[in-house]
Amino acid sequence: GEDVEQSLFLSVREGDSSVINCTYTDSSSTYLYWYKQEPGAGLQLLTYIFSNMDMKQDQRLTVLLNKKDKHLSLRIADTQTGDSAIYFCAESPGYSSASKIIFGSGTRLSIRP
Amino acid sequence: DTGVSQDPRHKITKRGQNVTFRCDPISEHNRLYWYRQTLGQGPEFLTYFQNEAQLEKSRLLSDRFSAERPKGSFSTLEIQRTEQGDSAMYLCASSSTGASTNEKLFFGSGTQLSVL
Repeated sequence: GEDVEQSLFLSVREGDSSVINCTYTDSSSTYLYWYKQEPGAGLQLLTYIFSNMDMKQDQRLTVLLNKKDKHLSLRIADTQTGDSAIYFCAESPGYSSASKIIFGSGTRLSIRP
Repeated sequence: DTGVSQDPRHKITKRGQNVTFRCDPISEHNRLYWYRQTLGQGPEFLTYFQNEAQLEKSRLLSDRFSAERPKGSFSTLEIQRTEQGDSAMYLCASSSTGASTNEKLFFGSGTQLSVL
């Protein structure tokens, strides 16, 4: 079945890079996503990567995909206090008949001064 | 702001009561999703609509849950005979399908349900 796993917590110093990791099980996933959730808010799409790519960069965000190991990571450069949030990895199945996106449990990123 | 809106933001109810939540998606989006999120977990898929058709329901959606999207615009999620285990954040999301299978979901802020 489909499963997405992430570590629960990450603490980094302000100005350092944050790397959030995720593993997934569905080898037919076509798109993989990173969503951000701030307290009391819904999820906000940060970035996504198509499964035939291995890297995508978008300003301070870098997504790396290792399809062989089914491993996805999100790197946030120059982490700021505003980056404090829960980050969810998600996958979209490869079949079109059911488009539900499967989410991990989220990684809570906290920033130390 | 023309994002996804959900109403109410918070709902406190007694066990056994019925509750109904509303979601207004982004107006040009044809797909609408309901997810449930409990503390410390990611959103779990409940059901989704394409236009007014309900295309898939999760086995998490017991007989006490029903969702509608009568005119392919707003949607309602009703929970009958609420139980304490129904306490969660209910999230609505919408997306627009095209030639790509890339489902970029836009989420509302959710309805936080507390069943006493």
